[in-house]
Amino acid sequence: AQKITQTQPGMFVQEKEAVTLDCTYDTSDQSYGLFWYKQPSSGEMIFLIYQGSYDEQNATEGRYSLNFQKARKSANLVISASQLGDSAMYFCAMSAYNQGGKLIFGQGTELSVKP
Amino acid sequence: KAGVTQTPRYLIKTRGQQVTLSCSPISGHRSVSWYQQTPGQGLQFLFEYFSETQRNKGNFPGRFSGRQFSNSRSEMNVSTLELGDSALYLCASSLELAKNIQYFGAGTRLSVL
Repeated sequence: AQKITQTQPGMFVQEKEAVTLDCTYDTSDQSYGLFWYKQPSSGEMIFLIYQGSYDEQNATEGRYSLNFQKARKSANLVISASQLGDSAMYFCAMSAYNQGGKLIFGQGTELSVKP
Repeated sequence: KAGVTQTPRYLIKTRGQQVTLSCSPISGHRSVSWYQQTPGQGLQFLFEYFSETQRNKGNFPGRFSGRQFSNSRSEMNVSTLELGDSALYLCASSLELAKNIQYFGAGTRLSVL
């Protein structure tokens, strides 16, 4: 069975500073993908970044980067130069390739950006 | 390119009724998945459809069902509604079944009274 753990229920960051959101995962599968989604108060889940289990380089998408440490089974999200619009819930998720597209989500981290 | 469209956005039902939610995927996407989000249980996978066939199912009672049409649009149905079915129901679409990014709609917020 797969499991995602996000240990930070809530976090604060000052505008323009960088912040790291933690995510650890547990799986016995060798082929899988790791994802981060952002959910504003409106409810829509917005895709941020993806990392495949065989990707050797950390994924980056604009101000988002994924710090992938396979041996430690961690996939932390780093947001650089935080903006007020980054305030939202952030979910880490994984998908084992042998289970189609089924996503297993963590409990989420609520990020608040202070001006 | 239009995103994933879910209708209706909000729904209020009473216990015992049934409800049908609709999801139109991104053009060209053939896989549609459904998720339930509640404060207590978080985000839970309901089922996944590809080429009009259910490919994967989560741990939900048989009252939850779905289907996918030839144009990839999907519907999910919940019969005999219970108070605990109150949730945000999210639909996601992707190009193929696996190794693909899932893009989500804005969700349907269901309240059962």
